[in-house]
Amino acid sequence: DQQVKQNSPSLSVQEGRISILNCDYTNSMFDYFLWYKKYPAEGPTFLISISSIKDKNEDGRFTVFLNKSAKHLSLHIVPSQPGDSAVYFCAASGVLQGAQKLVFGQGTRLTINP
Amino acid sequence: DAEITQSPRHKITETGRQVTLACHQTWNHNNMFWYRQDLGHGLRLIHYSYGVQDTNKGEVSDGYSVSRSNTEDLPLTLESAASSQTSVYFCASSSSGRTYEQYFGPGTRLTVT
Repeated sequence: DQQVKQNSPSLSVQEGRISILNCDYTNSMFDYFLWYKKYPAEGPTFLISISSIKDKNEDGRFTVFLNKSAKHLSLHIVPSQPGDSAVYFCAASGVLQGAQKLVFGQGTRLTINP
Repeated sequence: DAEITQSPRHKITETGRQVTLACHQTWNHNNMFWYRQDLGHGLRLIHYSYGVQDTNKGEVSDGYSVSRSNTEDLPLTLESAASSQTSVYFCASSSSGRTYEQYFGPGTRLTVT
């Protein structure tokens, strides 16, 4: 039962253009959503988050949008840079089986082409 | 600077052996977590701890155990390694006030032959 899904295993975008990464979730009890970025041979690093009471959060080139009615969130990167090439994990936080937990999607590999 | 470290970074072991992966954090975080990353599955929670002497099972805890004797360390033990436990293992920590914002270690790549 995959509660958080990233249906695109990979995405290729030209440098300077917009990258849009998508994520769907099924549990309406999630109260916080996050995006993590992962380079090879490193651990994931926190990128940006959004509370369930908001629909948009912006941090520099990164913006996360939340559509609660559709149970969908997306990460926009504008403009895309070569250093953005990485695997991006969507994660949702909520109380599951009595404890606050993070549930991760499968990840999307973003490649920025020069 | 505060950090979270894991050791070893790479480990090859044989089926049936006991293996312990170390995790040490200097953030002074109460919460610590162990995940495994497998292709097509993302990161899956193995065990977690919300403080000293507290341990809890995650979604894929079979064959694994943890102990928390101090704030800084949460070692993960594979009691009898199996080939299905070949994976990359990540340790993470977070503060009590922001459980959802987790800081990850660099990972341990474990191969069970």
